[in-house]
Amino acid sequence: KAGVTQTPRYLIKTRGQQVTLSCSPISGHRSVSWYQQTPGQGLQFLFEYFSETQRNKGNFPGRFSGRQFSNSRSEMNVSTLELGDSALYLCASRRGQGVDTEAFFGQGTRLTVV
Amino acid sequence: GQQLNQSPQSMFIQEGEDVSMNCTSSSIFNTWLWYKQDPGEGPVLLIALYKAGELTSNGRLTAQFGITRKDSFLNISASIPSDVGIYFCAGLSGGGQNFVFGPGTRLSVLP
Repeated sequence: KAGVTQTPRYLIKTRGQQVTLSCSPISGHRSVSWYQQTPGQGLQFLFEYFSETQRNKGNFPGRFSGRQFSNSRSEMNVSTLELGDSALYLCASRRGQGVDTEAFFGQGTRLTVV
Repeated sequence: GQQLNQSPQSMFIQEGEDVSMNCTSSSIFNTWLWYKQDPGEGPVLLIALYKAGELTSNGRLTAQFGITRKDSFLNISASIPSDVGIYFCAGLSGGGQNFVFGPGTRLSVLP
């Protein structure tokens, strides 16, 4: 059974550009969550999608957005990139949203903004 | 909002020693997960706990769901060099739909 797949693994962008990251969850999983990880802030929750609907949102500016497709694949978009957006972006998939469902992470996309 | 604290923040141990770390919160959680993250990789799920008092093992790892539901513990026995990494706890409350993560415990194993 394939795990969570994130593409690309590495990305270098210039300040002011925009970027789209992709996450394919484990087959059968309908929930996808996105996290930003930086050395100083740890794992910060961005948003969660379940059945193509955003169910939860963290405390990030509107430049961060996402969507989920009917096959549960999800994309995250960051517009007008800032230097501080450099981070490891992780997505996690879950079968559902119940308290008995575990979250499995992808390898992450390392974004560097220069 | 909900927050998790992990201690110790970092630890250096000798190969072969046992390790204990914990995760605490002022809030009650219904699910606790423990992850290990290697540099540049995503966190890997180690153990999941669903019931207060539950004790679960995965090889040399043992984790417990605290009776108060506000804490969890992870023990590693007979540490080896590949245990090096950052260990995160994550909690899920009954009302919440996304996990809250602790800041992590960085483990270093000296040969």
